[in-house]
Amino acid sequence: EVQLVESGGGLVQPGGSLRLSCAASGFTFSSYEMNWVRQAPGKGLEWVSYISSSGSTIYYADSVKGRFTISRDNAKNSLYLQMNSLRAEDTAVYYCAREGGSESTLDYWGQGTLVTVSS
Amino acid sequence: DIQMTQSPSSVSASVGDRVTITCRASQGISSWLAWYQQKPGKAPKLLIYAASSLQSGVPSRFSGSGSGTDFTLTISSLQPEDFATYYCQQANSFPLTFGQGTRLEIK
Repeated sequence: EVQLVESGGGLVQPGGSLRLSCAASGFTFSSYEMNWVRQAPGKGLEWVSYISSSGSTIYYADSVKGRFTISRDNAKNSLYLQMNSLRAEDTAVYYCAREGGSESTLDYWGQGTLVTVSS
Repeated sequence: DIQMTQSPSSVSASVGDRVTITCRASQGISSWLAWYQQKPGKAPKLLIYAASSLQSGVPSRFSGSGSGTDFTLTISSLQPEDFATYYCQQANSFPLTFGQGTRLEIK
């Protein structure tokens, strides 16, 4: 069974940093591209970042470019999102999601981890 | 960036009804479109990929169609568990973008 479990969310002050993790199991993690998607409270879905299976190709949304860094450790079956210079508008549930079924389609999602940026 | 616009933003319907949700892309995306269902407090669930392919395990009452800029998600006979929010997502190019969502409510 495919499982994605996010962790690392919490309350952080504006300007602070946080590192999210996503532990993958039930599939060959190193063969799949991965993404982070977020959802602000009561709002819609916003794609945040993509990383290829090898980690050689990375994309970011303009809203996080220069502040967030996506990475992965295929030996540990883990995906990460380092978030720096956090702003109130980064407050959201952050989901990790696997690409599958078709290109750039997200076939499995984690349960999400809440990041709250507030003083 | 490709903008995705869904309509309606919300719809009320009854069990057994047929419901159609539309999604329009700001530029042609061929068949690179996915549909997701999200229930409160839960992660989104993939329903349809490549505009019309049904994800494994998804009931056949869900169907998708369209290509280019105009797409539809149809639920042929609503069931109680179908009341949720639905999102389209273009898979043509980065940044990936989602529609604003369509909330399907019980009438």
